Amino acid sequence: EIVLTQSPATLSLSPGERATLSCRASQSVSSYLAWYQQKPGQAPRLLIYDASNRATGIPARFSGSGSGTDFTLTISSLEPEDFAVYYCQQRSNWPPLDTFGQGTKLEIK
Amino acid sequence: QVQLQESGPGLVKPSQTLSLTCTVSGGSISSGGYYWSWIRQHPGKGLEWIGYIYYSGSTYYNPSLKSRVTISVDTSKNQFSLKLSSVTAADTAVYYCARAHSSGYGPWGQGTLVTVSS
Repeated sequence: EIVLTQSPATLSLSPGERATLSCRASQSVSSYLAWYQQKPGQAPRLLIYDASNRATGIPARFSGSGSGTDFTLTISSLEPEDFAVYYCQQRSNWPPLDTFGQGTKLEIK
Repeated sequence: QVQLQESGPGLVKPSQTLSLTCTVSGGSISSGGYYWSWIRQHPGKGLEWIGYIYYSGSTYYNPSLKSRVTISVDTSKNQFSLKLSSVTAADTAVYYCARAHSSGYGPWGQGTLVTVSS
């Protein structure tokens, strides 16, 4: 099973600042990595798929990069609505076994 | 656009079988190109993939749950379902259905809390 480790566990920033979230895989996942945002009481929302492709309707301030084992989600300038928990997720094609990271909580400083 | 909605009992007794259904609207499960998935989230915790199914009936399950999980599809009703047998308190979670495509999941249902308790 591929383990995803997200860092930091908590990130404290102010609106307008740049956020950089990391996700490291225990072995290569190629570019089969996605990022999600989850707010309290809500389902996760897909932000990025295939490591760097923004999902439909996601603002341009969200970007993803990386391949292999190291991935980054960047939010260029934080808006108040961006404070939430962010998860990364990888897809293993064979055997099929998707796993999620433990999450990074982005909180207002 | 495609929307998903979970339904089923919110309370299940230990050792019984948890049964949930996901109804898909705004698109057809039979159109192909996507896997239809179940994911759960224990209270205050992270996300755990349970498994997914293709409209043809091909299924893939998380090995840690495989012995207890069955996912099925009813294309005539545009629904897919989850059955998890022999539940314990450790199966208490919010259960989500979602559409899998490429490397990600979207959209998701709103989620339904299932509590295992006598």
